[in-house]
Amino acid sequence: QSALTQPPSASGSPGQSVTISCTGTSSDVGSYNYVSWYQQQPGKAPKLMIYEVSKRPSGVPDRFSGSKSGNTASLTVSGLQADDEADYYCSSYAVNTISWGFGTGTKVTVL
Amino acid sequence: EVQLVQSGAEVKKPGESLKISCKASGFSFINYWIGWVRQMPGRGLEWMGIIYRSDSNTRYSPSFQGQVTISADRTISTAYLRWSSLQASDTAMYYCVRVYYYDVDANMGGPFDIWGPGTMVTVSS
Repeated sequence: QSALTQPPSASGSPGQSVTISCTGTSSDVGSYNYVSWYQQQPGKAPKLMIYEVSKRPSGVPDRFSGSKSGNTASLTVSGLQADDEADYYCSSYAVNTISWGFGTGTKVTVL
Repeated sequence: EVQLVQSGAEVKKPGESLKISCKASGFSFINYWIGWVRQMPGRGLEWMGIIYRSDSNTRYSPSFQGQVTISADRTISTAYLRWSSLQASDTAMYYCVRVYYYDVDANMGGPFDIWGPGTMVTVSS
């Protein structure tokens, strides 16, 4: 499974919103709703923020939301806070290859 | 507390073997698939493979098939990642993860909901 495509960077001021895209193919992102998003703060392990396209694990603020259209999934962070500054990775399970793939990663900067 | 506890950082020479561990705590090890994810310095995440309960239930990414071996000892709720001959290109952080749900027959591949803190492996002569 090839890496999913994300923009290398995104930014916004505190309180604003930022949206990150994740483009795959009809064999992964576009096939089933097994798209997840992970936040990795500097020096830390990744943390699950969104799963099954738009579901939030317990404890994740509702400022984080996910969606999907065709072969592209998106993560939106609303009401940006300094603590949101991190790398964000999307991931998708590919049924045809029975494997998981990750996106190229997006560095979010809070201005 | 639900967590994955990983073994400490390792510094090895090329050609040496290595086995790192991941112990599950706070949940039933035998009910979940456990996986490994690599992150090379300054790079992104790469899924390596998963294991369920025993060595006979493993799945590998094609990129890592034959390069590493994933095993488990369910009696001590621990998964392992092993190299028989390390290379400098194996230098990376290795995270173990819990797969929230997985059923290949039902075409279901869930997210990695619990992550260990990572084990840094450095291979240098």
